[in-house]
Amino acid sequence: AQSVTQPDIHITVSEGASLELRCNYSYGATPYLFWYVQSPGQGLQLLLKYFSGDTLVQGIKGFEAEFKRSQSSFNLRKPSVHWSDAAEYFCAVVFGNQFYFGTGTSLTVIP
Amino acid sequence: GAVVSQHPSRVICKSGTSVKIECRSLDFQATTMFWYRQFPKQSLMLMATSNEGSKATYEQGVEKDKFLINHASLTLSTLTVTSAHPEDSSFYICSYDNSHDNEQFFGPGTRLTVL
Repeated sequence: AQSVTQPDIHITVSEGASLELRCNYSYGATPYLFWYVQSPGQGLQLLLKYFSGDTLVQGIKGFEAEFKRSQSSFNLRKPSVHWSDAAEYFCAVVFGNQFYFGTGTSLTVIP
Repeated sequence: GAVVSQHPSRVICKSGTSVKIECRSLDFQATTMFWYRQFPKQSLMLMATSNEGSKATYEQGVEKDKFLINHASLTLSTLTVTSAHPEDSSFYICSYDNSHDNEQFFGPGTRLTVL
């Protein structure tokens, strides 16, 4: 069965430090891949998406993600975290036309 | 990206009452839309998928008679929580499918609290 895994429930980083949030999926083919960010009490904002082509995808707010087919992964990265990046991050994949969300990773940024 | 609105953003109601949540796409028309529910500190769970002009398809475990979905037009969908109970308290999010590259556009969500 298809699944999306975000192994890290919660991550704490210092402001200015680098960040990597992990996402793995289980599917026979390459799905469409997304990363969303959700601030408390808010809806989802799309950070970036991957459909095909260059496996390193640039998104908004300085985020990027790299699709690695061999590892079935689509990890999100940012070189230098800002305090405003504190939020919940969801990886999502589309199988067919249905979205499947990971369980989310909560990011805390400390001064 | 497309703009999706939800109304109300927050609603508090008494147990046993019904609550209607509206979801509108403001700048495009979509034949397919989705309703999700999100409990605190948890991920989004798909409740149902609907196509304009046809009945919604509900996910396993979601009561169709309790969560009435009306996909009235290409720009408006409504979710009515009938006879709401405290366990229905949740964050409800709608989304529209842009129909050509599988991207969905999400509304800002509606926080429902049932007393």
